[in-house]
Amino acid sequence: DGGITQSPKYLFRKEGQNVTLSCEQNLNHDAMYWYRQDPGQGLRLIYYSQIVNDFQKGDIAEGYSVSREKKESFPLTVTSAQKNPTAFYLCASSTGPSTTEAFFGQGTRLTVV
Amino acid sequence: GENVEQHPSTLSVQEGDSAVIKCTYSDSASNYFPWYKQELGKRPQLIIDIRSNVGEKKDQRIAVTLNKTAKHFSLHITETQPEDSAVYFCAAGYSSASKIIFGSGTRLSIRP
Repeated sequence: DGGITQSPKYLFRKEGQNVTLSCEQNLNHDAMYWYRQDPGQGLRLIYYSQIVNDFQKGDIAEGYSVSREKKESFPLTVTSAQKNPTAFYLCASSTGPSTTEAFFGQGTRLTVV
Repeated sequence: GENVEQHPSTLSVQEGDSAVIKCTYSDSASNYFPWYKQELGKRPQLIIDIRSNVGEKKDQRIAVTLNKTAKHFSLHITETQPEDSAVYFCAAGYSSASKIIFGSGTRLSIRP
């Protein structure tokens, strides 16, 4: 179903802990993205990667980190520096530059207590 | 920086009527404009897209128009049906940088 998988679907963490969200795709896509979705604010870009071993900050990168060691994988770490981490996180991938369809994962809902 | 504004944030229309959602973008280098539909609890999915060399594109009940001069584009849904109820996102991308910027979304409700 879509070829892009996020895990887990729901995640609970205590305040002050780092947490890593998984995103894997088997679509052979070069580009991958992480978005944060909050009610009424649409999809805000956290980080994106055009190719393996390369990634760029999006509009709200503070408090987050990523890696792109493999083409298939683009994990997102939410660090303790992120002031409001509770949100719905969506990963997406596309074949290349941002002029092609992006395919989304099913999302991870992170709740920090 | 790049920005995409989307209006309205909520829209309620009678079943069978038309719905229009409008977006504006800031970066004149943008050349790709997709629209995504997100049903409750599901992932966003592409419903239609348009490139900067085209002014209008239609797919059954859905159409998108693009005005490059004014830097705005619109989604038109005709003969709306209950299954059209969802959140719709516009977006803008450009080939010089591999990122896609989304609007804030429109929650469309179809009244029976």
